[in-house]
Amino acid sequence: DQQVKQNSPSLSVQEGRISILNCDYTNSMFDYFLWYKKYPAEGPTFLISISSIKDKNEDGRFTVFLNKSAKHLSLHIVPSQPGDSAVYFCAATDQAQGAQKLVFGQGTRLTINP
Amino acid sequence: GAGVSQSPSNKVTEKGKDVELRCDPISGHTALYWYRQSLGQGLEFLIYFQGNSAPDKSGLPSDRFSAERTGGSVSTLTIQRTQQEDSAVYLCASSPNPFEAFFGQGTRLTVV
Repeated sequence: DQQVKQNSPSLSVQEGRISILNCDYTNSMFDYFLWYKKYPAEGPTFLISISSIKDKNEDGRFTVFLNKSAKHLSLHIVPSQPGDSAVYFCAATDQAQGAQKLVFGQGTRLTINP
Repeated sequence: GAGVSQSPSNKVTEKGKDVELRCDPISGHTALYWYRQSLGQGLEFLIYFQGNSAPDKSGLPSDRFSAERTGGSVSTLTIQRTQQEDSAVYLCASSPNPFEAFFGQGTRLTVV
């Protein structure tokens, strides 16, 4: 039962262009969403998050968009840089449940080509 | 240290042996999580601690897996009678709030 899905295992983007990473979820109780970035041999690091009361959150080059009706969120990176090459994980949680369990997607490997 | 520390970073063990993986969370973080990432897979939730208690053990894949946390700090994940399918990177994370987890570098477990 994959509650959080990242359907693209990999994505290749040219440096300077926009990278768009997508994530879909099935659990309508999820109300907080996060993106994590993972380099090889390191643990994931928090990148950006969004609450379900918003539809957009921006932090520098990173913007997360949430479409609740479609149960879809996306991460935009503009402009893309070689250092952005990593695996990106989408995660979701249900704040009210209190379990504070983050449910992760399978990850998307982003490669930025110079 | 400032971050979540996990040890060992790599562990190779023979099938059937027991292993213990250790996690030192960030000081003051009350929540602690264990996840694992098998080859080509996403992050699979194993167990969550709030303080020393584990309100959610739903992700532990079998009764060979157990975890404890003492003093609201260090946690140990124990896998008994390891199997080859247990091979994965085991990630620990701690959190100061419900919405964000800080991960360690992981322990790569290889069962041969």
